[in-house]
Amino acid sequence: QKEVEQNSGPLSVPEGAIASLNCTYSDRGSQSFFWYRQYSGKSPELIMFIYSNGDKEDGRFTAQLNKASQYVSLLIRDSQPSDSATYLCAVNQGGKLIFGQGTELSVKP
Amino acid sequence: NAGVTQTPKFQVLKTGQSMTLQCAQDMNHNSMYWYRQDPGMGLRLIYYSASEGTTDKGEVPNGYNVSRLNKREFSLRLESAAPSQTSVYFCASSEISPHQPQHFGDGTRLSIL
Repeated sequence: QKEVEQNSGPLSVPEGAIASLNCTYSDRGSQSFFWYRQYSGKSPELIMFIYSNGDKEDGRFTAQLNKASQYVSLLIRDSQPSDSATYLCAVNQGGKLIFGQGTELSVKP
Repeated sequence: NAGVTQTPKFQVLKTGQSMTLQCAQDMNHNSMYWYRQDPGMGLRLIYYSASEGTTDKGEVPNGYNVSRLNKREFSLRLESAAPSQTSVYFCASSEISPHQPQHFGDGTRLSIL
C-alpha cells in the first residue's frame, strides 16, 4: 500500500464547477498536509496547507482534513481553465514530505 | 527574489559519465531536499539535509551522493550515470518545522543515453 494515494485522473470538470480532489494517507502520525499545483513542465507550487481537523479556506480553494479517516481533500470552486494542472498531495511524516502520484485536472471551457 | 536556484536546467549524459547537480537557496532555510519525478510516479525523495552538516537517505538513494556544502547549497552527484536515472530532478528547501512548506526550484531535466 502506498503511503499517500491519489486518483491519477484525469478529472474533467466544466468551467465554473467545483473540482474535488482527494488524498488518503497511511501514517496516523502525520502532522501536516500540503497541496501543490504543477503545470506541465514546471515545478510544484504550494496552494494550501492544513494541519488541524476541519476546513481551511483561501479564496476559491478549500482544504479539508479528517485525521480519523486519514483523508485530506482539496475543493476548487468556480473552476477555471487556468486551474488545469496536476495537483499533488503531500504529507509530512517525520520531517519528510511524502507525495502522492498526483491527480490531473482538466477544466473544460 | 531567486528562491531556490538549480543548475543546469537541462543535461544529456552518456551511460557511465558523472555529473553534479547544483542547488542554492537564499531563504535562509535549514532543510534542503532532492527529489526525482518520473511520469506517473509523483515526487520521490532521494536525499535530504535537515540542517547544515547532516544528510540522510530518502526513498530512492541508490546511485546518488549528496553534499551539504553550507547552509545555502546542497548538491547531488551521479557517479556513474545509468539510463534508469533519466528523470526530472527537483531541489527544495524549507524550515525545520513540520508545518512549513517546501519551496521548489525549477528542476533539472536529465537524459542519460
